Amino acid sequence: DQQVKQNSPSLSVQEGRISILNCDYTNSMFDYFLWYKKYPAEGPTFLISISSIKDKNEDGRFTVFLNKSAKHLSLHIVPSQPGDSAVYFCAAKANSGGSNYKLTFGKGTLLTVNP
Amino acid sequence: DADVTQTPRNRITKTGKRIMLECSQTKGHDRMYWYRQDPGLGLRLIYYSFDVKDINKGEISDGYSVSRQAQAKFSLSLESAIPNQTALYFCATSGGGGAPSNQPQHFGDGTRLSIL
Repeated sequence: DQQVKQNSPSLSVQEGRISILNCDYTNSMFDYFLWYKKYPAEGPTFLISISSIKDKNEDGRFTVFLNKSAKHLSLHIVPSQPGDSAVYFCAAKANSGGSNYKLTFGKGTLLTVNP
Repeated sequence: DADVTQTPRNRITKTGKRIMLECSQTKGHDRMYWYRQDPGLGLRLIYYSFDVKDINKGEISDGYSVSRQAQAKFSLSLESAIPNQTALYFCATSGGGGAPSNQPQHFGDGTRLSIL
C-alpha cells in the first residue's frame, strides 16, 4: 500500500522553464511534507518543506504547494537550471499517533533540465 | 567535512557473511535512522533510534540489527547476508529530541552493498 505516490518516474524540461513535480498521498494523518533532491552517488538532500497549516511555502526558486482536500502537493522550480537535474523525492510524516519519527517516501521523479 | 559519514561506501560480500555498516555524525542530533533504497522503491526505514538507550524497528527490520554505541554513532548489521539485501543503504539524523518535531532528516552519502 503506497501512501506517497509520485506517478511520473521522469520529467524533462528546458533550461529557464518551469519544472513541476507532483506528489499524491493517501494517509489523511500526514501533516508535514518534505522534498528531497538526490544526485547520483550522494545521499538525499533536504530541499523544502511545508506544514499542513499552510498551502504554500517558497524558498528562492523553489515553491511547494499543498492542496489538502485533494491530498496533493507539487514542487515548482522556476527558472529551471541544468544543475537541478536530479531525482526528487516527496516525503510525508504524521506528527501524531506515535509515528512522528517516520518519513514515508515516494519512489522519486528523475528531473532532467536540458541546456 | 561531511556531517553524516557512512563507511564503507561500497562493499561486495558473499551470502552468509556478517556485515556491519557504520554511521557517524557531527550534527549533535539525537535521532538516527537507517534506510535502504531499492531501484524503483524509494527509501524504506529499517531501524531508528531517538537516543542511546532507544532502538526501534522500522518497516523492514527482518534480517537486520542495529547498535547505538554513542549519540554520534549508529551501526547496522546484517547477521547472515542474503542476495535480496543487495541495496543502497542510507543513514540519516535529525534533531528534535523525544518530542514531535518537524526538523528534516539529513542523510549520509550511502553505502552500496552487493551480496553475491
